[in-house]
Amino acid sequence: RKEVEQDPGPFNVPEGATVAFNCTYSNSASQSFFWYRQDCRKEPKLLMSVYSSGNEDGRFTAQLNRASQYISLLIRDSKLSDSATYLCVVNMRPNQFYFGTGTSLTVIP
Amino acid sequence: DVKVTQSSRYLVKRTGEKVFLECVQDMDHENMFWYRQDPGLGLRLIYFSYDVKMKEKGDIPEGYSVSREKKERFSLILESASTNQTSMYLCASSLSGAGSKNIQYFGAGTRLSVL
Repeated sequence: RKEVEQDPGPFNVPEGATVAFNCTYSNSASQSFFWYRQDCRKEPKLLMSVYSSGNEDGRFTAQLNRASQYISLLIRDSKLSDSATYLCVVNMRPNQFYFGTGTSLTVIP
Repeated sequence: DVKVTQSSRYLVKRTGEKVFLECVQDMDHENMFWYRQDPGLGLRLIYFSYDVKMKEKGDIPEGYSVSREKKERFSLILESASTNQTSMYLCASSLSGAGSKNIQYFGAGTRLSVL
């Protein structure tokens, strides 16, 4: 079993739609959780950290479910500029981060 | 703004060559990382360093070595490049600590082709 698993997609959604991604992780002692965004042929960039109580940043909402060992990302009112690959990242041990393979999102006009 | 700079965007090398990939960060971060990214496999950790002259193996260290002589610079070395080392190489840095302190910042990547 991979340490971090994501549905690779692709997710093709119309502009304005709401879309959600999940990511599961294997180590129940994992400490920190993040969503990164990666555009084609570019480096990953932090989208948002994921806090235990859930957190929101504009149209983006992240949730953590420790009991079921998954994190989620919800994007509301999708924009064309949201088209990218979204990477789930889990800090399982000090200074060791595990990345999901990414979920591809295309927002269609 | 944190800046992580990788010395080359694209490299083409021949099998058996020694290859150096350089990475420099300007935010006085303690931790630095080298990953490779391959389609369908995601990012995999090769090595990381939590201090000058300190290094730890990641998940796929075979065929690679690293050097960290100064805090801001972390080098990845392919002693004898092979075709299966053709990949995108990403360097990252972060502060030490838990939670939001260990957000990683990435360089633009080096796309290495070994022929």
